[in-house]
Amino acid sequence: GENVEQHPSTLSVQEGDSAVIKCTYSDSASNYFPWYKQELGKGPQLIIDIRSNVGEKKDQRIAVTLNKTAKHFSLHITETQPEDSAVYFCAASWFSGGYNKLIFGAGTRLAVHP
Amino acid sequence: GAGVSQSPSNKVTEKGKDVELRCDPISGHTALYWYRQRLGQGLEFLIYFQGNSAPDKSGLPSDRFSAERTGESVSTLTIQRTQQEDSAVYLCASSPSAGTQYFGPGTRLTVL
Repeated sequence: GENVEQHPSTLSVQEGDSAVIKCTYSDSASNYFPWYKQELGKGPQLIIDIRSNVGEKKDQRIAVTLNKTAKHFSLHITETQPEDSAVYFCAASWFSGGYNKLIFGAGTRLAVHP
Repeated sequence: GAGVSQSPSNKVTEKGKDVELRCDPISGHTALYWYRQRLGQGLEFLIYFQGNSAPDKSGLPSDRFSAERTGESVSTLTIQRTQQEDSAVYLCASSPSAGTQYFGPGTRLTVL
């Protein structure tokens, strides 16, 4: 089945720096890759997603890149702010049992220090 | 519009008791998922409902866990004879089909 690995598990940056989180997946048939942000005590919230027919997508300070050949995708946050501090999860779609599941990475705890 | 809601937000129970957790999906979303998230861990898939199709129960960890959903409405996750290892946050998500999932705030279950 599909396996998603996420690195690093923790990331600490200074305010204003960039942060990059990387994920790899195993199933070349995966075609949908969302990123979720989870703040303390809350459920994960979708922040950006990308489909396999594009290589990059941007939304203000957040961007996601996808390399289908290498089967990896990355989240880039520029000009980080303290409110970006949270746990970030990547996910990859996996068609099994007649429907598309999402397989999640283990998460990255991002700390942005003022 | 209203997002996914879950109740209760917190539940403390004694070992051996049964608990029932509730999820109200976004109106019109046909797909509904339950996940378990242990402290500091990732999301563990439990069960998936899609319309009136048979649910995918492949992620349920034991026969003490069960879930129901009537049509495209509310779902309940039941854990019988709770154990301390059941302590976790239980998250529900819904989706308009089988794509983007929108999560609720979760129910934090503590088994003493």
